[in-house]
Amino acid sequence: GAVVSQHPSWVICKSGTSVKIECRSLDFQATTMFWYRQFPKQSLMLMATSNEGSKATYEQGVEKDKFLINHASLTLSTLTVTSAHPEDSSFYICSAIGGRVKDEAGGPSNEQYFGPGTRLTVT
Amino acid sequence: AQKITQTQPGMFVQEKEAVTLDCTYDTSDQSYGLFWYKQPSSGEMIFLIYQGSYDEQNATEGRYSLNFQKARKSANLVISASQLGDSAMYFCAMREMNTGFQKLVFGTGTRLLVSP
Repeated sequence: GAVVSQHPSWVICKSGTSVKIECRSLDFQATTMFWYRQFPKQSLMLMATSNEGSKATYEQGVEKDKFLINHASLTLSTLTVTSAHPEDSSFYICSAIGGRVKDEAGGPSNEQYFGPGTRLTVT
Repeated sequence: AQKITQTQPGMFVQEKEAVTLDCTYDTSDQSYGLFWYKQPSSGEMIFLIYQGSYDEQNATEGRYSLNFQKARKSANLVISASQLGDSAMYFCAMREMNTGFQKLVFGTGTRLLVSP
């Protein structure tokens, strides 16, 4: 299957600083990338959807000025957590899909390929 | 309302036995897709199986099969011949075509423990 990488895999930063997380599709062009956040023992919650060359679409309750998303190319999306606070400590996972959305009635499933995740700890 | 409901926070099974992980969903869409993912302690999300709403046959992938009951809106995952390496969190997810961007909505997950 397709490969998505994330960098860094873990990061510790001080409160008030900004952290950038990269998500790369290594062997395909990702027209759409998703950013999820997962708190300990909880499910994945979608934060935002990013399409190459356009502004990200944020889910309700996610501060777009705090979580800056840039999808500058078809293989790279970045999430910047600005002025991080301890409550931002979480596991951040990206996923990517490529190609046109296909109808569920036929054709392949346009599977989402997940990155390995980035564990952010804000002290 | 919850779009995806997984009512079993934890399940135990002995090695080599089969186990069923429950998932019910809520949608008014006619076209949707259902997914199961495995998340081991490392955190990576591993795709297991997919079922489209128009698929008449239950999906199967090796030891994984999806018991799709459309009228009941359930999509239970069946793991046959459990192995110790199957111990992990399992998430059911749904994609509704009306969202346009193929967003996945996840359930709360079930932690599966396989004992020797």
